[in-house]
Amino acid sequence: RKEVEQDPGPFNVPEGATVAFNCTYSNSASQSFFWYRQDCRKEPKLLMSVYSSGNEDGRFTAQLNRASQYISLLIRDSKLSDSATYLCVVNMNSGGYQKVTFGTGTKLQVIP
Amino acid sequence: DTAVSQTPKYLVTQMGNDKSIKCEQNLGHDTMYWYKQDSKKFLKIMFSYNNKELIINETVPNRFSPKSPDKAHLNLHINSLELGDSAVYFCASSPLSGRAAQYFGPGTRLLVL
Repeated sequence: RKEVEQDPGPFNVPEGATVAFNCTYSNSASQSFFWYRQDCRKEPKLLMSVYSSGNEDGRFTAQLNRASQYISLLIRDSKLSDSATYLCVVNMNSGGYQKVTFGTGTKLQVIP
Repeated sequence: DTAVSQTPKYLVTQMGNDKSIKCEQNLGHDTMYWYKQDSKKFLKIMFSYNNKELIINETVPNRFSPKSPDKAHLNLHINSLELGDSAVYFCASSPLSGRAAQYFGPGTRLLVL
């Protein structure tokens, strides 16, 4: 099983739709979780951290389910500008140091 | 501007050459990273440095040698370049090793011919 897994997509959704992505992780000792966004030919940029109680930032909601070892990202009222690849990031303890692992990303295309 | 910067942005070179990529961050972060993103878009960590000390070396060929002259700089030197080294290389930094979000540089697009 991969350390961090995401559905690569693409998810093609109409403007205004709600879309959700999941990301599963294998190490139950994982400690920190993040969602990043990467536009074509650009660097990954932090979208939001994921907290145990769940957190919201405008149209974006992130959730953590430690029991089932997954994090999710919900985007409401999708905009054309939301089209990008969404990467989940998991920090885990590996060999005595903290290791950061990126998922392979989920591609979102919002269509007019 | 406060940021993570990399030079060069593009690098086209012949197989067998040696090249370097430079990275600087002025965010005051203690930890810096090098990532490789291949044609399949998979972002894989190569190295991590914390306060100039190497803490992660992820099964990278020893043709790749990172150097951190101070905690604001992490350079990557590549010897004897191979076709498979063609990729985008991202530098990143974070305040704490692996516990906080990372901030990425714009990337260096390396093409080995």
